This record gives sequence, C-alpha cells and structure tokens, in this order.
Amino acid sequence: NAGVTQTPKFRVLKTGQSMTLLCAQDMNHEYMYWYRQDPGMGLRLIHYSVGEGTTAKGEVPDGYNVSRLKKQNFLLGLESAAPSQTSVYFCASSDRTAGGEKLFFGSGTQLSVL
Amino acid sequence: AQKITQTQPGMFVQEKEAVTLDCTYDTSDPSYGLFWYKQPSSGEMIFLIYQGSYDQQNATEGRYSLNFQKARKSANLVISASQLGDSAMYFCAMRVRGAQKLVFGQGTRLTINP
Repeated sequence: NAGVTQTPKFRVLKTGQSMTLLCAQDMNHEYMYWYRQDPGMGLRLIHYSVGEGTTAKGEVPDGYNVSRLKKQNFLLGLESAAPSQTSVYFCASSDRTAGGEKLFFGSGTQLSVL
Repeated sequence: AQKITQTQPGMFVQEKEAVTLDCTYDTSDPSYGLFWYKQPSSGEMIFLIYQGSYDQQNATEGRYSLNFQKARKSANLVISASQLGDSAMYFCAMRVRGAQKLVFGQGTRLTINP
C-alpha cells in the first residue's frame, strides 16, 4: 500500500532557484493538502485542494503555488526560493466521507534554501 | 478563529507509567473534531485518535484515550503503560465542520525513560 508518496525526500536549493514538490495518493481521496513544519510552530497549512482542478490558500500561501490537474496528484511549486522557505514539507490527503476525516500524510520533504 | 494550544514543550516519563499530554482549543463553532497525531524521529505523521464534539463518550484506541472536557475546551491525550517506543513528538489538531483545514498545535516532545 503506497498511500501518500512525496518526492523528493531531500533537496537543497540556492536562493532564487525554483522547484516543484510532487505528491501522489492512491486512495482516491478528494482532499489534498500541503503543510510546512517548522520548529516550535507545529504544522501550518500552505494550500489545499477539495477536488481535481481546484485549489485554495491556507495560512501561509505566500511564495508558493499549487496545481491539481489530476485527482491523485498535488504539486507544490516554489518559483523563487528564499531562506525562509527552509522547512519540512508534508503532503496529506483525506476522504470527505470518512468518519473523522483523518489525514493521511506523506513521509515529508526536507528542503534547505541557502 | 480556531486555535490549538499545547503548553508542554517537553515531557519526561518513566517507562510503564501513564502520561497525559495537554491540549486546549478555541472555537465558537459547536461542531468540530479533535485529533492527535504522533511524529516519531523518523518524521512520519501517525494518526492516533479522534473525538467528535458531539460524541458522548471519550474516544479510546488501545493504550490511547482522549480525555474530552467540552466545557473546559480541553482534549488531553492519555497514554497508559508507556513504552520506550512512545518517545516522539505529539500534535493535537482540530477541524471545524465545514472548514477544510486541520489546525495543529505546537506539539509536545515526549521522552520515555527506561
């Protein structure tokens, strides 16, 4: 069972470079999310999607863009990376019909921006 | 606005003892769900337990139970008979019904001593 798969697992960027993080889920979930985790701040929502072709801003969307062209994939883009975007990024998905609507998380992407 | 507060940055407990991790929440919406997640040193986020605001009984999942006190707006996680493998970061989270995002607390790092 793959569940939620994130690629890459680690990445180092220079300031100003761009990159895309890929999230794929094989559970046919409607909802997908991108969170970032920073020490002492828990997880904060960057963007989310409630279905194919839809996206919405979360708590900390600035500097990021997302796309959900296919139901199973949710891409997070950094157009011009900044050191403040050094963080661990988690993708998650959930089923709108599941009791409790618990989130299933990927294993995370450690991103460092120098 | 929704808010989750975890006031214990770190806790140290002897193996086999019970441990309570504190979580208080703030919302004006009467319908919401409360979650606890565990994050071991490997980094993945593991769902532990869920409590709905209208649930009459406290949720239990094996050694985990949620001490839900609605009037006090608290949702403490109780781990009975702690084990070395319980050492991890623990996050409390809340979702208001109709809202898409899960809001996380800052987390509590639990260390179980042999």
